Amino acid sequence: GAVVSQHPSRVICKSGTSVKIECRSLDFQATTMFWYRQFPKQSLMLMATSNEGSKATYEQGVEKDKFLINHASLTLSTLTVTSAHPEDSSFYICSATSGVNEQFFGPGTRLTVL
Amino acid sequence: AQSVAQPEDQVNVAEGNPLTVKCTYSVSGNPYLFWYVQYPNRGLQFLLKYITGDNLVKGSYGFEAEFNKSQTSFHLKKPSALVSDSALYFCAVRVVSGGYQKVTFGTGTKLQVIP
Repeated sequence: GAVVSQHPSRVICKSGTSVKIECRSLDFQATTMFWYRQFPKQSLMLMATSNEGSKATYEQGVEKDKFLINHASLTLSTLTVTSAHPEDSSFYICSATSGVNEQFFGPGTRLTVL
Repeated sequence: AQSVAQPEDQVNVAEGNPLTVKCTYSVSGNPYLFWYVQYPNRGLQFLLKYITGDNLVKGSYGFEAEFNKSQTSFHLKKPSALVSDSALYFCAVRVVSGGYQKVTFGTGTKLQVIP
């Protein structure tokens, strides 16, 4: 299957700082990318859907000013957690897809906010 | 609003026995249905999908799933479980409407295959 990378795989930051996570589709052009949070008891929560060149669509309850998503090209999307707080600590996963095909997932980023 | 239900948090099955992981969904419109698997300390991987056509779809690692429109179900099955099948399984539904697509995942089912 197609490969999606995420960087960094792990980040620790101080409260109040911003953190950027990159998601890249390495061998295909992703018309749509998704960002998820995965909680300790396994559930996967969709945060937002982004189409290349347009604004991301955020799920209810997700603050768009806090979780900035940019999908500037068909192979790159970024998620910036602004003014991070300890409650933002989580496992963030991106996925990429082309059309209505299956999603290919990145390996995830473990964010710890101190 | 669309939703996906995986009623079992965990399924235990003996190695060699058939396994079923249940999934039901609720959408308006035609659903695209997917199963993904997450092995320990690894990213989610695509297993199989139903888009259109044959209700029985076959996927990776010997898994299959049957789309049942009347019961709005898409249960994942395998005739003979392996210990290596132990993982977390997610069902997902995707609906496309007016150029906008909405994806919803179930809460996941942990499959434990006992040697």
